[in-house]
Amino acid sequence: GENVEQHPSTLSVQEGDSAVIKCTYSDSASNYFPWYKQELGKGPQLIIDIRSNVGEKKDQRIAVTLNKTAKHFSLHITETQPEDSAVYFCAAIQDGNQFYFGTGTSLTVIP
Amino acid sequence: DAGITQSPRHKVTETGTPVTLRCHQTENHRYMYWYRQDPGHGLRLIHYSYGVKDTDKGEVSDGYSVSRSKTEDFLLTLESATSSQTSVYFCAIKAGRSTDTQYFGPGTRLTVL
Repeated sequence: GENVEQHPSTLSVQEGDSAVIKCTYSDSASNYFPWYKQELGKGPQLIIDIRSNVGEKKDQRIAVTLNKTAKHFSLHITETQPEDSAVYFCAAIQDGNQFYFGTGTSLTVIP
Repeated sequence: DAGITQSPRHKVTETGTPVTLRCHQTENHRYMYWYRQDPGHGLRLIHYSYGVKDTDKGEVSDGYSVSRSKTEDFLLTLESATSSQTSVYFCAIKAGRSTDTQYFGPGTRLTVL
């Protein structure tokens, strides 16, 4: 099956700075890459996703980039705010049902 | 939470007892999923369903069974709970036929003593 690695496991940034979280995947058949944000005591919430036929996607302060050749994709959060503090998960999907998740990044935004 | 409720939200049980977790959705989605979340492992798929009475195994299905007798409910059963099944369990649905996007419920925290 797919193997998704996520780095770093923890990340602290000053409010207003940018945060970058990186994931790599092993199976070139993966074609859909969502990112989820999980706040304490809640379920993961989809924040952005990208398909393998697109190299970059942006939604306000959040962007995702995909490099299919290198099999890695990244989440970029600009102008970070304290409410961005959460655990972020990447995932890689092959056939629409088997989601393989990274192990998560705990992001802390320091006011 | 995409119209998904999970019950119970918290449960403490003893080793060897049967446990059933319920996932309920109100939007008639065809696909439903059960995951477990553990530190250092992220989320791992246990079982999923692609219709009433249609289910398939995920990455970590050993020790779990599922049932789906109606569209809105997907049950996860631990026939004989073990301490290794202490975890947070999330239900998810897939929204729409043309999308792979999964949306998650609020989770059930299960402790097996």
